[in-house]
Amino acid sequence: AQKVTQAQTEISVVEKEDVTLDCVYETRDTTYYLFWYKQPPSGELVFLIRRNSFDEQNEISGRYSWNFQKSTSSFNFTITASQVVDSAVYFCALSAVGTYKYIFGTGTRLKVLA
Amino acid sequence: GAGVSQSPSNKVTEKGKDVELRCDPISGHTALYWYRQSLGQGLEFLIYFQGNSAPDKSGLPSDRFSAERTGGSVSTLTIQRTQQEDSAVYLCASSLAGQSLAKNIQYFGAGTRLSVL
Repeated sequence: AQKVTQAQTEISVVEKEDVTLDCVYETRDTTYYLFWYKQPPSGELVFLIRRNSFDEQNEISGRYSWNFQKSTSSFNFTITASQVVDSAVYFCALSAVGTYKYIFGTGTRLKVLA
Repeated sequence: GAGVSQSPSNKVTEKGKDVELRCDPISGHTALYWYRQSLGQGLEFLIYFQGNSAPDKSGLPSDRFSAERTGGSVSTLTIQRTQQEDSAVYLCASSLAGQSLAKNIQYFGAGTRLSVL
């Protein structure tokens, strides 16, 4: 069975702090994709990143970085120098290659205080 | 359109009434998905369309829920005889292709917030 766990329900940080959102997944598939989405108050899920299970390179995009570790089945997301606009619910998701279903975690609500 | 469009954005209805939720996917996207997001929960898969057919309806919670897609484009999710537990945000997503590895990034609409009184 596939499962995604985001143990942090809500995190509050002060602007400019770094923050890491945890994502732990379970799958028996050897090939899969991992995703992060951002859901701002407007409600629309915004795609942030997709990572193939074969590619364990960390990725950096501006203030965002992702740490994928197969050994611990984790795909953590770090925001550096957080800003108020980063306030949102962030979802991690898993999809086996060749399928269409995404398995979502329950999300982490991030509040960045000015 | 530029993104996935859902209407209405908010719907308040009385218990027992039927509701229709609409999704207009990104132009050219053949795959369409409906999800339900209850308060404090993750996204619950409801149904998947490839073109006009729905190979996977396994997530529909009961026979009060149905969905159709016409012309390979717009989809309608219908909930009959609504119950209070149907209150949730209903999200629609589309992707270029369902099972093509490189293309299956799902892009989401802003959802319809359904409140059943």
